[in-house]
Parts: sequence; C-alpha cells; structure tokens
Amino acid sequence: QKEVEQNSGPLSVPEGAIASLNCTYSDRGSQSFFWYRQYSGKSPELIMFIYSNGDKEDGRFTAQLNKASQYVSLLIRDSQPSDSATYLCAVNRGDYKLSFGAGTTVTVRA
Amino acid sequence: DADVTQTPRNRITKTGKRIMLECSQTKGHDRMYWYRQDPGLGLRLIYYSFDVKDINKGEISDGYSVSRQAQAKFSLSLESAIPNQTALYFCATSESPTERQFFGPGTRLTVL
Repeated sequence: QKEVEQNSGPLSVPEGAIASLNCTYSDRGSQSFFWYRQYSGKSPELIMFIYSNGDKEDGRFTAQLNKASQYVSLLIRDSQPSDSATYLCAVNRGDYKLSFGAGTTVTVRA
Repeated sequence: DADVTQTPRNRITKTGKRIMLECSQTKGHDRMYWYRQDPGLGLRLIYYSFDVKDINKGEISDGYSVSRQAQAKFSLSLESAIPNQTALYFCATSESPTERQFFGPGTRLTVL
C-alpha cells in the first residue's frame, strides 16, 4: 500500500465549477498535510496546508482533513483555466520528511 | 530574487559521466532535501540534511551522493550516471516548526 494515494485523473471541470480532489494516507500518526500545485515542467508550489481536523479556507481553496478516516481533500471553487495543473498531496509523519502522492491532473475547460 | 536556486537547469550527459547538481537557498532554513520526479511516480526523496553535519539517505539514495557545504548549499552528485537516472530533480528547503517545504525551479537531467 502506498503511503499517500491520489486519483491520477485527469479531472475535467467546466470553468466556474468546483473541483474536488481527494487524498488518502496510510500512517495514522501523520501530523501535517499539504497541497502543492505543479504546472507542467515547473516546480511544486505550496497552496494549502492543514494540521487539524476540519476545514481550512484560503481564497478559492478549501482543505478538509479527517484524521479518523485518514483522508484530506482540496476543493477549488469557481475554477479558472489557470487552475489547470497537477495537484500533489503531501503528508508529514512528524519526522520532517514529506511523502507525496503521484498527483491529480486537473483540466478546467472554458 | 528566487529563494531556492538550482544549477544547471538542464543537462544532457552520457552514461558513466559524473554529474553534480547544485542548490542554494537564501531562506535561512536548516533543512534541505533532494527529490527526483518521474512521470506517474510523484516526488521521491533521495537525500536530506537537517544541518551541515547531518546527512541522511532517503528512499532512493543508491547511485547518488550529497554534500552540504554550508547552511545555504546542498549538492547532489551522480558518480556514474545511468539512463534510468533521467528525471526532473528538485531541491527543497523547509521551515520550522510548520515543516512547509519550498522548492527550487528544478534541473532536467537526461542521461544518454
């Protein structure tokens, strides 16, 4: 079982819709959770991080964490063509290292 | 100015050659990391360093070595490059205590 799993996609959503991305992790002791956005050929860019159960909102992005079910999700509201990218879920088990999922590719169609 | 820089940005080399990738940061972070990224496999940790005197192997360290010359500099070497080391390589730093990691622009390495 992989430490961090994501649906690879592609996830295609119309402009203005909500994109919903999911991530599950295997280590119940994981402590912090991150979402990175990566455009093709570019480096990952941190867009959200969450440490506690519940929701965290930042602009059009909302991260949701459920430690009991071992999943973390990312919602992108009012999706824009510029949101088309690969989104990487990363989990920190408390040992200062991140385990990354393989990423979900999102395409926002105009 | 970029906080984390990597040189070179692109490199084509031949099997058996020694290659060094360099990373510098101005963020003042103690922790630095080297990852490689292959299509469909996500980011995999090669080596990491928590300070100048602390170097640790990651999940895929075979065929690689590193040097932490200073707090701000962390180099990755391929002693004898092979074609399956063709990949995108990223350096990252992390801050304490949030553990957020910040990535350099990447080096695209091709081994022929």
